[in-house]
Amino acid sequence: ETGVTQTPRHLVMGMTNKKSLKCEQHLGHNAMYWYKQSAKKPLELMFVYSLEERVENNSVPSRFSPECPNSSHLFLHLHTLQPEDSALYLCASSQELALQETQYFGPGTRLLVL
Amino acid sequence: QKEVEQDPGPLSVPEGAIVSLNCTYSNSAFQYFMWYRQYSRKGPELLMYTYSSGNKEDGRFTAQVDKSSKYISLFIRDSQPSDSATYLCAMSGNFGNEKLTFGTGTRLTIIP
Repeated sequence: ETGVTQTPRHLVMGMTNKKSLKCEQHLGHNAMYWYKQSAKKPLELMFVYSLEERVENNSVPSRFSPECPNSSHLFLHLHTLQPEDSALYLCASSQELALQETQYFGPGTRLLVL
Repeated sequence: QKEVEQDPGPLSVPEGAIVSLNCTYSNSAFQYFMWYRQYSRKGPELLMYTYSSGNKEDGRFTAQVDKSSKYISLFIRDSQPSDSATYLCAMSGNFGNEKLTFGTGTRLTIIP
């Protein structure tokens, strides 16, 4: 495996379910990110981790809970989601937490909340 | 007003044509400008990266930044069907780990 991988690639869940999205980067990077991509909207940064410490939470509702157990793995725990949370959730990583660093994106998890 | 405006398209052009993709922005503090390409069912990948004003060329791709007009462009010469994708502009200021602000993306189709 190379680059940034995400599982599952597709997820359908009810509003009362609890599920988790997983991201793994094989690049030796120190920073990881969660983004939300909705149709006809710009990419929205949700969370930023640097060396396993959360450094940014962009006013994301508490029904989204990130976890970064080590610098290679990032999770997004989901519970009691709403239909408007349906979107493509993208994970990214960069060598360091600096703007000049290129961010490498995973393929995303396509989430549908019913 | 959105910080970054980008026409979502879709934009369809014949193979071999020159493609022009554009974004405008309102924040004069933006200094770093990027173009990402996103194929269907894939994540975005960085295509071009420029700092401040000027042009940057990489093969068939040219990125232009006009800070006085708050306008950036991506030109694709000799367009190929493999260039069919969504193109996202992104930009940020000059303060360490300041986050990227993205456009909505322009969906481009090159017709063989």
